[in-house]
Amino acid sequence: DGGITQSPKYLFRKEGQNVTLSCEQNLNHDAMYWYRQDPGQGLRLIYYSQIVNDFQKGDIAEGYSVSREKKESFPLTVTSAQKNPTAFYLCASGQGAETQYFGPGTRLLVL
Amino acid sequence: AQSVAQPEDQVNVAEGNPLTVKCTYSVSGNPYLFWYVQYPNRGLQFLLKYITGDNLVKGSYGFEAEFNKSQTSFHLKKPSALVSDSALYFCAVRDRSSGSARQLTFGSGTQLTVLP
Repeated sequence: DGGITQSPKYLFRKEGQNVTLSCEQNLNHDAMYWYRQDPGQGLRLIYYSQIVNDFQKGDIAEGYSVSREKKESFPLTVTSAQKNPTAFYLCASGQGAETQYFGPGTRLLVL
Repeated sequence: AQSVAQPEDQVNVAEGNPLTVKCTYSVSGNPYLFWYVQYPNRGLQFLLKYITGDNLVKGSYGFEAEFNKSQTSFHLKKPSALVSDSALYFCAVRDRSSGSARQLTFGSGTQLTVLP
């Protein structure tokens, strides 16, 4: 899991509630990523950021939002518009086209 | 467009036997190829990568992978499996000609079980 931390490890969301997942890295990487993992499926890209104050939608951005105000931090907000948020969320960072390194993940459950 | 296929959802092997986890890819240019391992409720751990050079790449924990351009494959191998190798394995590809940092596509994963 290296120098990437995610919190909390488990998160519970009530219907209609927005929740924010934290991701911090101390690897001095420019790029950061959010993935969603569902059982039996690979990772799907939600959002990514190549540089501070800039980010792009991935393949499944609807119902999610991000910010990148600091190089070290890339929080993900799961909004009430995301109707099926139960999943394992993985944050990663990387430098250019090189290897992406992953955090330990946050499991989001709906009450 | 780029894609990755891991044709086997599940691979079972006896401890001490060699193991192979298969991966094929499709890119329009030349590939960067990666293997990751995931243990239950954990993040992905990097195992090895192919960027350029020797087709046989050696990585962590005794794993290796062979890049085969003609067959567009990058199979993960280990000469002697351990029970502790049991985990979910992901292959990933990036088109080297892509200028975007986002272009990493993952396969659906292969669950490896090593039987004692």
